[in-house]
This record gives sequence, C-alpha cells and structure tokens, in this order.
Amino acid sequence: GDSVTQMEGPVTLSEEAFLTINCTYTATGYPSLFWYVQYPGEGLQLLLKATKADDKGSNKGFEATYRKETTSFHLEKGSVQVSDSAVYFCALSDPYDYKLSFGAGTTVTVRA
Amino acid sequence: EAGVAQSPRYKIIEKRQSVAFWCNPISGHATLYWYQQILGQGPKLLIQFQNNGVVDDSQLPKDRFSAERLKGVDSTLKIQPAKLEDSAVYLCASSPGEGQPQHFGDGTRLSIL
Repeated sequence: GDSVTQMEGPVTLSEEAFLTINCTYTATGYPSLFWYVQYPGEGLQLLLKATKADDKGSNKGFEATYRKETTSFHLEKGSVQVSDSAVYFCALSDPYDYKLSFGAGTTVTVRA
Repeated sequence: EAGVAQSPRYKIIEKRQSVAFWCNPISGHATLYWYQQILGQGPKLLIQFQNNGVVDDSQLPKDRFSAERLKGVDSTLKIQPAKLEDSAVYLCASSPGEGQPQHFGDGTRLSIL
C-alpha cells in the first residue's frame, strides 16, 4: 500500500537558518504529493503541492520538488523565522482513489 | 470563505462513556472526511462521505465508532463506548469533490481518563 516516510524530529533551528525536511514515499502509479503544516492548536493547512514528476511546489518561501527517480519530496526553506515553528506533514494522494496518506510529522522549532 | 467548523474543541471523558463530535464543512463541499490523529502520528482516515453516502469506512472501528452525514452537509462522529486508546485529535476535512484539495478544521482533542 501507499506510505510516506519523513525525517524524524524534533528539529530545532535558529532564525535565518536553512531548513530541510526529508520525505520519501512508496506508491503505485503516480501520486500527487503535498506538504501540510499544523500550527499549535490548529488543524492542518496545505502548504504546497506537486502533481507530477519534476514539478516544484512553492509557498511562503518553502519549496519542494517531486523527484520520481528517488521517490522523494523534500521540503526546504532558505531562511526560517520564529513563525515557522510548527509540525510539518508530508502526504501523498493515491491516483486511483485519491486517499491521502500522511507521514508521522516533523516538529520544527525556530529560536530567535 | 468560512472554513471547516468543528465542535467541541476539547473533550474529557472517562472510559466506557460515549462522546460525539460535530463538523460543518465549507459550503458546497460534497466530500467530507473524518481523521484520527494520535499524538506523534499523522492523521489516519476513519471515514469518507460523498454527499450523504459513505465512500470508505474501512478503517472505522465499527463496533464502537459511528458517523453520519444527514442531508449531505453537517456530520457527526460518535464513539460508544470509549477506550483509552481513543485519546486523539479528531479532524474533519472537506473538499469540493474527490481528488480536490482538502480543507481541515481545527479538530477536537479527546482525552480519555
């Protein structure tokens, strides 16, 4: 079945540091890939997505590129802020039944 | 547009009691999902509705969990009787249709004593 594996946390960074969260997936066919963000006490918000190989999703300074050859969708941001502190989830959508499968989440804390 | 509304935000009950959660999706969204998010894990789909019909409830523990979406709008999720392992955040999400981006509510945090 479909599955998503993402880097374990927690990750603690200083402001303006570079952030990378690794994500790899296993799926049949060609899924769509997503990064969701969950701020404390809130639900999940879609951060970015990519629907086919070599697509780059971007939003709020975050980027991720759909790499079919390595089955990866790593999240990056060049300069993080305190407000980026949250839990980040990598997810895929099955191309046949559209079901979302989530990774376990990575907690990121950015210190001033 | 108004987002997905859920209530209550928090609920504390004792094991073997019953509890119900309510979800109001974004207006016009035909597809509604209930997820269970256990601490330290990603959300797991419990049930998916398309309008007022069930599309997938394969992961719903039907001996204790039930859900309905009367009239294809609001939905309720019930647990009866609750077990300690049901402690989790229950998230509701909606989308215009299958394959469309899902919008999540803030969730209900359930604690079982």
